[in-house]
Amino acid sequence: EDKVVQSPLSLVVHEGDTVTLNCSYEVTNFRSLLWYKQEKKAPTFLFMLTSSGIEKKSGRLSSILDKKELSSILNITATQTGDSAIYLCAVEDRALGSGTYKYIFGTGTRLKVLA
Amino acid sequence: GAVVSQHPSRVICKSGTSVKIECRSLDFQATTMFWYRQFPKQSLMLMATSNEGSKATYEQGVEKDKFLINHASLTLSTLTVTSAHPEDSSFYICSAGQPGTSGRVFLSTQYFGPGTRLTVL
Repeated sequence: EDKVVQSPLSLVVHEGDTVTLNCSYEVTNFRSLLWYKQEKKAPTFLFMLTSSGIEKKSGRLSSILDKKELSSILNITATQTGDSAIYLCAVEDRALGSGTYKYIFGTGTRLKVLA
Repeated sequence: GAVVSQHPSRVICKSGTSVKIECRSLDFQATTMFWYRQFPKQSLMLMATSNEGSKATYEQGVEKDKFLINHASLTLSTLTVTSAHPEDSSFYICSAGQPGTSGRVFLSTQYFGPGTRLTVL
């Protein structure tokens, strides 16, 4: 059965700390891996990763994919209280030939940044 | 990024009534939209994949007669919760895939609507 696992489930840090969130997957027809940030409402898109070893960066956030290890990490440097949220990892499962696809979500990592 | 709207944002209804939720992609066409359900402090659970012009594909355990999905156009999908009961109370989120390519690879970045909080009394 396809699955996406995130760790840790929750994390409490102080402002200024650096955090690394992990996502591992077992998906038959992997196409891409996406990271989202969810605060009080719906998730907002952060990154999409398709190739191993290429870091995607946006401000203090960065992410990289390792297809050999079937995993990805999301790094947040110099954390701020505004980074407090649930970070979701999703893997696109795209069936070969049929064109149909769907996303399998991990359980999320709940990050709390203390002032 | 692409914009997906969802309406209503919040609905409270009596048990036994039906509720329709709309999901629209505002600045792109989406042949595929997804409907998720999220319980408090839990991750998103995929309910069904909505395909424009064809029947929706439901995930195992989701009752298709209870959660009716219609994808009438390339920018609109609707989810109707029929004969709602208190256990259907939840946060329902739709998403639409904005197509793109990376070289020859077809990709789709998924963008979420703001969600609908349904409370069934």
